[in-house]
Amino acid sequence: GAGVSQSPSNKVTEKGKDVELRCDPISGHTALYWYRQSLGQGLEFLIYFQGNSAPDKSGLPSDRFSAERTGGSVSTLTIQRTQQEDSAVYLCASSWDELGYTFGSGTRLTVV
Amino acid sequence: AQKITQTQPGMFVQEKEAVTLDCTYDTSDPSYGLFWYKQPSSGEMIFLIYQGSYDQQNATEGRYSLNFQKARKSANLVISASQLGDSAMYFCAMREGLGANNLFFGTGTRLTVIP
Repeated sequence: GAGVSQSPSNKVTEKGKDVELRCDPISGHTALYWYRQSLGQGLEFLIYFQGNSAPDKSGLPSDRFSAERTGGSVSTLTIQRTQQEDSAVYLCASSWDELGYTFGSGTRLTVV
Repeated sequence: AQKITQTQPGMFVQEKEAVTLDCTYDTSDPSYGLFWYKQPSSGEMIFLIYQGSYDQQNATEGRYSLNFQKARKSANLVISASQLGDSAMYFCAMREGLGANNLFFGTGTRLTVIP
């Protein structure tokens, strides 16, 4: 596709359940990033994949959060045992160089 | 320490006037890039302007310009001739080093343009 695609666009889940958020980056973009944006706040870095290198997981807030990127393309962010404080918009971005960051439209996660 | 600091939670500007949104950054890497993004209420992140640490001149893109003061580590966004459609959240971000490294974002400034 022409842009970064994220699914689902909205997700409501019960506290304690696991959720998976998907990101389809722009074809050919070697770098992929996940950010979290809580209501009215800035973007908090979560994890970054670059080519075949080991991902930079330094932003993951707890061991309930994990992400993988299969075949250097699609990425899945998994949140286990969701908590209410996990409610936020999760944004994915991809890039092929140091300038061309393109963001998806995000997944709005609500934990009830 | 915060890598990006935006000290103005909210700003108001009269339509057709200019407005400056502040951003300071903190890095010890000599190679870095500074970005400004606009996020309207619809939520998408819209790239506005970029300044590289080695760029000699301030970046400009239409009505947007970046006032880059390297010694002061500031990268303020100037919007000239404000329009009602400029009302949005504005985020300053920094990439450290070369390559497609992750971006660090500030907390944003909500700009409201008054008719």
